[in-house]
Amino acid sequence: DTGVSQNPRHKITKRGQNVTFRCDPISEHNRLYWYRQTLGQGPEFLTYFQNEAQLEKSRLLSDRFSAERPKGSFSTLEIQRTEQGDSAMYLCASTNRAYNEKLFFGSGTQLSVL
Amino acid sequence: QQQVKQSPQSLIVQKGGISIINCAYENTAFDYFPWYQQFPGKGPALLIAIRPDVSEKKEGRFTISFNKSAKQFSLHIMDSQPGDSATYFCAASRTGANNLFFGTGTRLTVIP
Repeated sequence: DTGVSQNPRHKITKRGQNVTFRCDPISEHNRLYWYRQTLGQGPEFLTYFQNEAQLEKSRLLSDRFSAERPKGSFSTLEIQRTEQGDSAMYLCASTNRAYNEKLFFGSGTQLSVL
Repeated sequence: QQQVKQSPQSLIVQKGGISIINCAYENTAFDYFPWYQQFPGKGPALLIAIRPDVSEKKEGRFTISFNKSAKQFSLHIMDSQPGDSATYFCAASRTGANNLFFGTGTRLTVIP
């Protein structure tokens, strides 16, 4: 169990640029989640995958955001035309049914949009 | 609309003291109530969780108290240690749902 891995750890970009984050879940976990956390707040749900299928998206996930999990393993989260309000920590979590809803979070990607 | 309300925002406790963090929820469909601990630069990690069929759950120095009628639950950290200094989040969800609703967090500082 090497834990959930997220890359990059930090990303600084200019407004209007596109960014992509990667998440590698724990290998036997078929459920994968993306959350967003802003300073002084708790994580907010963005989207959920079961294997390669994206089964749920939050209303927070505007059409500038897209997430994929093409082979049911790693996942990517892309933000197009970034805005300053996108600045946040983007957290990935994974689990499977054996863990009874316990989420295993990665250390996140901190995005700063200038 | 905050689904889970958490207080206090910050807490300072002496080493050996008891830390108490409170949460309240509105949605009676919620049936899973975890607490997550987060250290700076790290993602949240599950500390302890409870379901409404019990009023209390204890794991080591950590206890969740649950009051279904009041729709409140709290985390008690006994014999608080400097290593417990972190941000604590309560959360809630319902069985079958894919999203967990987090509180706004409590920053705990335990002073030696």
